[in-house]
Amino acid sequence: GAVVSQHPSWVICKSGTSVKIECRSLDFQATTMFWYRQFPKQSLMLMATSNEGSKATYEQGVEKDKFLINHASLTLSTLTVTSAHPEDSSFYICSAPTLRGVADIQYFGAGTRLSVL
Amino acid sequence: KQEVTQIPAALSVPEGENLVLNCSFTDSAIYNLQWFRQDPGKGLTSLLLIQSSQREQTSGRLNASLDKSSGRSTLYIAASQPGDSATYLCAVLIQGAQKLVFGQGTRLTINP
Repeated sequence: GAVVSQHPSWVICKSGTSVKIECRSLDFQATTMFWYRQFPKQSLMLMATSNEGSKATYEQGVEKDKFLINHASLTLSTLTVTSAHPEDSSFYICSAPTLRGVADIQYFGAGTRLSVL
Repeated sequence: KQEVTQIPAALSVPEGENLVLNCSFTDSAIYNLQWFRQDPGKGLTSLLLIQSSQREQTSGRLNASLDKSSGRSTLYIAASQPGDSATYLCAVLIQGAQKLVFGQGTRLTINP
């Protein structure tokens, strides 16, 4: 199956700093990638859709200036959490779809655990 | 708006039992439904994917069914093992938007 790599797997940072998370599709190209957030013992909530070569599409309630998304190539999307605060601590997961038949199948990264002190 | 619900939220059973996890969704306009497994602090592992035109899929001890008209799916786990302990998530791929909508998950514990 397709492989999606996410880096780093775990990051601890001080409040006020910015953190960049990378999501790479290793063996396929993805014009679209998705970023999810997961709080402890809760499900995944879609934050935004990353579009190669154009602006990301954010879900309602997600701050665009807080969560900057860049999709500079067909295999890489980055999520930057700007001026991170403790409430941004969470598990962030990306996914990239590839077409199988009539619809896409999404492949997920291993996730990034962000802890803001 | 598509909503996905999973019941029960948590389940604890002795090793060896067969069990069923339930997933329901409100809008039948889906491309497919997928079951995932998530271990604590880890990413998602895809278990089974059922296309909207299919009724069920099987992989080893796992069997997933889909009744699109009633908005329901079940994941059947046969002869459960302690290694099956994890959170199981179902998600539907919405037509048009190509977005995955997840249920809240079922935390499964298999006791030796």
